[in-house]
Amino acid sequence: EIVLTQSPTTMAASPGEKVTITCRASSSVSYMHWFQQKSGTSPKPWIYDTSKLASGVPDRFSGSGSGTSYSLTISSMEAEDAATYYCLQRSSYPFTFGSGTKLEIK
Amino acid sequence: QIQLVQSGPELKKPGESVKISCKASGYTFTDYAMHWVKQAPGKGLKWMGWINTYTGKPTYADDFKGRFVFSLEASASTANLQISNLKNEDTATYFCARWGSPLFDYWGQGVMVTVSS
Repeated sequence: EIVLTQSPTTMAASPGEKVTITCRASSSVSYMHWFQQKSGTSPKPWIYDTSKLASGVPDRFSGSGSGTSYSLTISSMEAEDAATYYCLQRSSYPFTFGSGTKLEIK
Repeated sequence: QIQLVQSGPELKKPGESVKISCKASGYTFTDYAMHWVKQAPGKGLKWMGWINTYTGKPTYADDFKGRFVFSLEASASTANLQISNLKNEDTATYFCARWGSPLFDYWGQGVMVTVSS
């Protein structure tokens, strides 16, 4: 099973600040996918195939990486970006999620 | 519009069984696989497995082999998750999610299952 380790676990950012969340895989994966989840709601697809934005995702978000190291970046934090972000690998069974990064607004 | 509507919350005792449903609308049900994801209270997401909605063949993650069954009512565009011999650790929200390659593009609203004596 591929273990995904996200960092940081929690963080707070000020409006306008650049934010980077990382996801490290215990073995190489082909792509990384990211989801946004706000309290009490279903996860939303956010970034897929490492760097492609899902429909409706603002272009201040970006994704990058390869092999065992991937990241989600927000170029300029906005209040609506406060949420928990999860990475997901589907390169091998079982699919696995990272433990999540809770992002708060300062 | 495309929707996945799941059944309502469940309160069960240890040892009982539960069946939750995920009704799809707005697309051809058998064209897209359905996956199931567990989220324990205050915890992260855990992938449970998926079902081929065309053939009905299920695939389970190791932690969900034995007491968990994915099934279909294809004529009703519905995917089901049945959990038998419920344990306290099954207390969680269970989501269905459509695989709309190359991403999980639509999710159900989740079903909260509470197991308590």
